Amino acid sequence: GAVVSQHPSWVICKSGTSVKIECRSLDFQATTMFWYRQFPKQSLMLMATSNEGSKATYEQGVEKDKFLINHASLTLSTLTVTSAHPEDSSFYICSARLRGVRRETQYFGPGTRLLVL
Amino acid sequence: AQKVTQAQTEISVVEKEDVTLDCVYETRDTTYYLFWYKQPPSGELVFLIRRNSFDEQNEISGRYSWNFQKSTSSFNFTITASQVVDSAVYFCALSEGRDTGNQFYFGTGTSLTVIP
Repeated sequence: GAVVSQHPSWVICKSGTSVKIECRSLDFQATTMFWYRQFPKQSLMLMATSNEGSKATYEQGVEKDKFLINHASLTLSTLTVTSAHPEDSSFYICSARLRGVRRETQYFGPGTRLLVL
Repeated sequence: AQKVTQAQTEISVVEKEDVTLDCVYETRDTTYYLFWYKQPPSGELVFLIRRNSFDEQNEISGRYSWNFQKSTSSFNFTITASQVVDSAVYFCALSEGRDTGNQFYFGTGTSLTVIP
């Protein structure tokens, strides 16, 4: 149980385009989803916390207008990288927190590798 | 200050050896949760274990075991009889507070390579 999917798994795009990444909880309802960014051989960096039906909370230094997050339902959150540039190339990972019991645990999606040319 | 410290950046062991990954955490909360995740080359983080601050009982699950010691703020992870498939980056994480919609504080990870 507690499966989280991400789509797409790979994205290659030209500089200036926008990219949308979807994060879905497949077999549970997630009141909270988290978006992380990971550079090669580094740890995960929390970008934002997304609660269903409300605005996302961004970490310091993360541009809200650059990384648009929408948490439209209890099973779906999206991250849109607007006007992507090469420095946005990274591994983006979402996680979801269960509603109810075991809500302290985050379950992670498989990640999306973004390469901006 | 780093809330979770994984001092070992990279470890290499020969297959069938035992290996212990260290994790030291820092928190002022009395209620908190500790986690270990495995990240294989594919990138997906795999949940291994969760421990709450009131449960110091050590746990063994197959070849994996965990040693939680509040006195030293450590939550170490041991793999016995390591296998090549254990090669991955292992992250220790801390979540503070009773209602943990809270963020995770990840360590910097330990890259484990098991040599056949």
